[in-house]
Amino acid sequence: GAVVSQHPSWVICKSGTSVKIECRSLDFQATTMFWYRQFPKQSLMLMATSNEGSKATYEQGVEKDKFLINHASLTLSTLTVTSAHPEDSSFYICSARPPEYGTGRNEQFFGPGTRLTVL
Amino acid sequence: LAKTTQPISMDSYEGQEVNITCSHNNIATNDYITWYQQFPSQGPRFIIQGYKTKVTNEVASLFIPADRKSSTLSLPRVSLSDTAVYYCLVAANQAGTALIFGKGTTLSVSS
Repeated sequence: GAVVSQHPSWVICKSGTSVKIECRSLDFQATTMFWYRQFPKQSLMLMATSNEGSKATYEQGVEKDKFLINHASLTLSTLTVTSAHPEDSSFYICSARPPEYGTGRNEQFFGPGTRLTVL
Repeated sequence: LAKTTQPISMDSYEGQEVNITCSHNNIATNDYITWYQQFPSQGPRFIIQGYKTKVTNEVASLFIPADRKSSTLSLPRVSLSDTAVYYCLVAANQAGTALIFGKGTTLSVSS
C-alpha cells in the first residue's frame, strides 16, 4: 500500500516556541492531506484539510493562526504549531489518499504520528 | 455526516472469533462503511471497507445487512497482537473526503 511518513516522530519544546511537523506521501502524489490531533485515551479529531497550492480548510474551533498549514508540493504538507503551550501537547497525525484509487476504494493512509510535548 | 455507535470496549481470548458491531442509522445512500485499527502511538490502519452484504479479506470480514443501518466487523481467531482500538467510519466514497472518527472500540485480547 501507499506510504505516508511524518517527521519528527517526537519533539519536546519549550513553551512559546514554534514547532514544525512534516507529512510526506512517499510513493504517490496527494493534492489533499488531512491533519488530526489525538489526546491520550481519546479518538482522532480532524483539525484541517491541507490543499496543495491553496489555503487549508480548518475545522470549527481550530485556530488557523496557531496551527499553520502549508501544502507547497504534491508530496509534502507541514503543520507548524506556533507559540506552543503545554495544552498543545498531543499526538499529531496526518493522512492522505492516492488519487488513482478512484471511487471504488475509500481508503486513506495515515502517517505514524508525531508526539509533541510542550514544557 | 452519519454518526456511528460502537461498544466502548470488548474482551476476548486468543483463538476466539471477535465480532464488533457498529450502528449507523443515518447512513446516506452513497456512504461506504470502513473500519480502521489503531495501536497505541501509531496512526490508524485500514482494515476493510464495504457497501452492502459481505466483504472478506485476509484480515477480517465485514457483514452489512440489507438496510445498512449497522455493520459487523469479524476478526477470526484473534491473537494478542490484535489488541487495539477499532474504529467504524461512514464516509462518502469521494477523493479528498476527510474521515471523521468516533470513539472506537478498545479490544483487549488475553492469553
